[in-house]
Amino acid sequence: QKEVEQDPGPLSVPEGAIVSLNCTYSNSAFQYFMWYRQYSRKGPELLMYTYSSGNKEDGRFTAQVDKSSKYISLFIRDSQPSDSATYLCAMSAWNGNTPLVFGKGTRLSVIA
Amino acid sequence: GAGVSQSPRYKVAKRGQDVALRCDPISGHVSLFWYQQALGQGPEFLTYFQNEAQLDKSGLPSDRFFAERPEGSVSTLKIQRTQQEDSAVYLCASSLALREGRDEQFFGPGTRLTVL
Repeated sequence: QKEVEQDPGPLSVPEGAIVSLNCTYSNSAFQYFMWYRQYSRKGPELLMYTYSSGNKEDGRFTAQVDKSSKYISLFIRDSQPSDSATYLCAMSAWNGNTPLVFGKGTRLSVIA
Repeated sequence: GAGVSQSPRYKVAKRGQDVALRCDPISGHVSLFWYQQALGQGPEFLTYFQNEAQLDKSGLPSDRFFAERPEGSVSTLKIQRTQQEDSAVYLCASSLALREGRDEQFFGPGTRLTVL
C-alpha cells in the first residue's frame, strides 16, 4: 500500500459543476498538506497549502484536512474549462524543506 | 521573475548512454529537490540538497543515478548506462527552506527523458 492514495480518474464534469477531489494517507506524521495543479507537459504549481486539520478557502477552491480520518479533499466551485488539468495531492511531515510525498494525481476535464 | 528552469526539455537516449539533466533554481533558494514522474503517476522523490550539501538521496533508484550541486546553485542529475525503465519526466523544485510559515516548493517544467 502506498503512503498516499488518490483515484487517478479520469473525471469529466460539465462547466459550472462542483468538483470534489480527495486523497487518503497512512502516515500519521504528515502535517502539511498541499494540492498542486499540473497542466500537460508543465511542472506542478501549488494551489492550496494547509497545515494540520481544518478548512482553507481561496476563491473557487476549498481545501479540507481531516487528520483523524487521514483524508484530505479539494473542492472546486463553478468549474471552468481552464481548470482541466491533473490535480496532485502532496504532503510532508515537516515544513517545506523536506521531500513531498505525492498521490498519483486525478485527471480532470471540464467540458464547456 | 524567473522561475525554476530545466534543460534540456526533451532528451532521447539510446539504452546504455549516459545523460545529464540540468536544473537552475530560483535565485536565493536554499533547497533543491529532484523528483521522477513516470507516465500517469505522481512525482516521486529522488534526492535533495540544502545549499551544496546533499541531505537525502534515499530515493535514487540505483547507483547509476548521481546528483550534484557543487556551488549551491545549479544542480545536475546524471544517469549512467540508461535503461528503458529510466524513461520519465524529471522534475526539479526549489524552496527558500523556511523553518516557519508557508514554504513552497516551486517546480520547473521538467525534462522528459525517453530511453530507446
